[in-house]
Amino acid sequence: EAQVTQNPRYLITVTGKKLTVTCSQNMNHEYMSWYRQDPGLGLRQIYYSMNVEVTDKGDVPEGYKVSRKEKRNFPLILESPSPNQTSLYFCASRKRGAYEQYFGPGTRLTVT
Amino acid sequence: AQKITQTQPGMFVQEKEAVTLDCTYDTSDQSYGLFWYKQPSSGEMIFLIYQGSYDEQNATEGRYSLNFQKARKSANLVISASQLGDSAMYFCAMTPRGKGTGFQKLVFGTGTRLLVSP
Repeated sequence: EAQVTQNPRYLITVTGKKLTVTCSQNMNHEYMSWYRQDPGLGLRQIYYSMNVEVTDKGDVPEGYKVSRKEKRNFPLILESPSPNQTSLYFCASRKRGAYEQYFGPGTRLTVT
Repeated sequence: AQKITQTQPGMFVQEKEAVTLDCTYDTSDQSYGLFWYKQPSSGEMIFLIYQGSYDEQNATEGRYSLNFQKARKSANLVISASQLGDSAMYFCAMTPRGKGTGFQKLVFGTGTRLLVSP
């Protein structure tokens, strides 16, 4: 089944404890993105990647890192999480030339 | 910078009626793309429809159509013959084209929650 998977789906952590949210797609898509969704703010793009080793900042990159060493994976790294990074995170992928993005199921992160 | 405005926090419609969800955008780009996504209560994001800024015809996908008025910078979503399963959050989004971003830079609005009643 064609899909984007994210792990973990739910995470509660403490301030300052490094964490990684994994994202993987099995559709051989070139493009991948990370978003965060907060009430009243919609979705905001954190980082995006146009191919392996090609990444760029979205609108809210502060406090996040990404890497794209393999085409299928695009992990989101929070080196020192803070409570204002409590949010619902979505990973998405898209094939070059297509319009439709395929979203993962989301990861709900709580930082205390 | 691009900006999307969705002024309707919530909308109600009766089953089988049509409903229009508003979206206005602000951009200085000449070439851009506009999208609508649906987010049911289960949380997943579902692509509905796409409109390019140079497309002369309004986009349609089944019961969804995008009423694109370029001069007014509006891209309203029209859902015909509403169904109970249409109850969800709807997001308008846009992307600049031709700036080497490959359609990847995406800006979303704050969303409109649609409730379809029997």
